[in-house]
Amino acid sequence: AQSVSQHNHHVILSEAASLELGCNYSYGGTVNLFWYVQYPGQHLQLLLKYFSGDPLVKGIKGFEAEFIKSKFSFNLRKPSVQWSDTAEYFCAVRGGGSQGNLIFGKGTKLSVKP
Amino acid sequence: EPEVTQTPSHQVTQMGQEVILRCVPISNHLYFYWYRQILGQKVEFLVSFYNNEISEKSEIFDDQFSVERPDGSNFTLKIRSTKLEDSAMYFCASKEERSYNEQFFGPGTRLTVL
Repeated sequence: AQSVSQHNHHVILSEAASLELGCNYSYGGTVNLFWYVQYPGQHLQLLLKYFSGDPLVKGIKGFEAEFIKSKFSFNLRKPSVQWSDTAEYFCAVRGGGSQGNLIFGKGTKLSVKP
Repeated sequence: EPEVTQTPSHQVTQMGQEVILRCVPISNHLYFYWYRQILGQKVEFLVSFYNNEISEKSEIFDDQFSVERPDGSNFTLKIRSTKLEDSAMYFCASKEERSYNEQFFGPGTRLTVL
């Protein structure tokens, strides 16, 4: 069965610090990978997604993620965080070619201190 | 920008009562989903719906749950006899036909079962 692991439950950073949130998945076949963000009081929004091609994916708000197939990882990065990045971040996987459901990780709460 | 809406934002009910959670997906979307998130846990897939029938469901989606698209706009999740463990945030999502599109999430309904 597919599963997603996010190793950091809560990350606290100061503004301008660099961010890397880990995400590992277990699935042997082709996968589609996603990072969603949930700002306080708001709904889940897509940050970025990987389907195929360049394993370095750029998303909105300066976020990027790198798909490393050999490590089954899709870590999220941002070189310099802002206070407004305070949110919960969810990694998700979907079996390639499927119209189906997303499997989510438990989420990582990011708190950025001004 | 079109968005998925959900009502109510918070529902409180007594154990054993029936609840109906409502969602209005984005108008040209054809795939619909329900997910839930129990407090402190990961977002879990419940069911997907396409062409007026369930296309996938998880083991969580037992006989107490049902979904319906009663008209051209609403997509509902019914829990027939709520249990304490049904307390969670319930998210609706919708997606366009093509597989490479993301799922757009609604703001969620917080269900509290007393």
